[in-house]
Order: sequence, then structure tokens, then C-alpha cells
Amino acid sequence: SAVISQKPSRDICQRGTSLTIQCQVDSQVTMMFWYRQQPGQSLTLIATANQGSEATYESGFVIDKFPISRPNLTFSTLTVSNMSPEDSSIYLCSVARAEWLGEQYFGPGTRLTVT
Amino acid sequence: AQSVTQLDSHVSVSEGTPVLLRCNYSSSYSPSLFWYVQHPNKGLQLLLKYTSAATLVKGINGFEAEFKKSETSFHLTKPSAHMSDAAEYFCVVSDRQEYGNKLVFGAGTILRVKS
Repeated sequence: SAVISQKPSRDICQRGTSLTIQCQVDSQVTMMFWYRQQPGQSLTLIATANQGSEATYESGFVIDKFPISRPNLTFSTLTVSNMSPEDSSIYLCSVARAEWLGEQYFGPGTRLTVT
Repeated sequence: AQSVTQLDSHVSVSEGTPVLLRCNYSSSYSPSLFWYVQHPNKGLQLLLKYTSAATLVKGINGFEAEFKKSETSFHLTKPSAHMSDAAEYFCVVSDRQEYGNKLVFGAGTILRVKS
């Protein structure tokens, strides 16, 4: 498994501003992912963070709105840009290694409220 | 395409009675299946996983699930519910052959345990 931390744990932001969320893992991992969990909903994959190259985004998510960085094998950031109240959600990062056979471990999440 | 249907959005049981959370999946190839639990205001925790080995999978905290290919089901059970089991449970499918490590989450089942 892996120990994953996220910063901030929660934030309240004004519409039109941007927030960068950090995800740190205690060991090197092959893959890192970002998910969104809207209020009362399940998790939806935003993108796969690729080390050294552009992230791979899922349908409905674009780089201009959710830019992602992954400078090394233990760290990634997700920025929520030009926020609106619809962006109020919990944002979670997860990690995986090839030998885990598809298993992913999740960070504690960042609870974002946009006013 | 891969998808997951959790048949009950809410399940209520009395403490000490059995728990059954139902999950059906759709996958083109040989899926990996997982159950995750999310306690209020906490992160996701992996309960158990099926990855083409034994069809009856045992997880943490006394939970187990049985993979039934003929029924495309992966129901989660526990013989005796405990108050601490109250949480939201997610059934998750991953078809690594076709989709790499992408996880698809079900809508979730909220388990309530009555004293």
C-alpha cells in the first residue's frame, strides 16, 4: 500500500479564483489519478497524471479547467481554475503500481466549497 | 464498456444481523472488482478485491464478496453487522486489459446500522 497526503484538506474559495491541490505519496508509484466527488455522488475520474508529460483527461474534463502537473513519481498537483459554485466537490488523488493489479489507494480528499 | 450497478442506494440493518450489499457489473473482458468503504468525512479504504483468483474473496473487518461470472455479480456480505460498519460502500470495476488502470465506481450504497 501507500500513504497519501493532500493539501489543503478543505478550502472555501470565491468564484472566478483558482485553487491548487497537492498530492504527496510516501513512496514512488507508477500511476497517479485525480477524481471528483460531487455532493451526494460517486467518484468520477478527472484525469491520469503522467510523469514528465501531459495528463490524460477523461471525457468532459479539459486541461484549461483542470491543469495537472506531475514532476516526479511521488507528487502531483491539480488546479481548479476559474471556479464556479458547480466546482464545489471533494477532490481525491489516488495512486497505483503495476504489481497491485489494478488496486488503487486514495488520499483523504480536499473538500472545496466555492461561494 | 465497463459499468457498475449498485442495486440499493440505502440499506438498513440491525446490529448483529447479516449485511448484504448488491453489485452487478458489466465488462467486456476479465474484470478486476473491488469494494471500497467511505466513512463520513474520511477517505476511501479498500475493503477487498477480486483479480481472477479465488471467487470468494475475504476482506478486512469480516467482509467478504463472491464473484459470480454467470450472474455478473459481486455482492458484499458480512455475517454480523457492527455499529462501526455504518458508512457508504462503493463497488468498483476495472477492466485492465481494455482500459488499463481506470476504475469505474458504482453510485454507492449507504449502510445504516441500528442499535
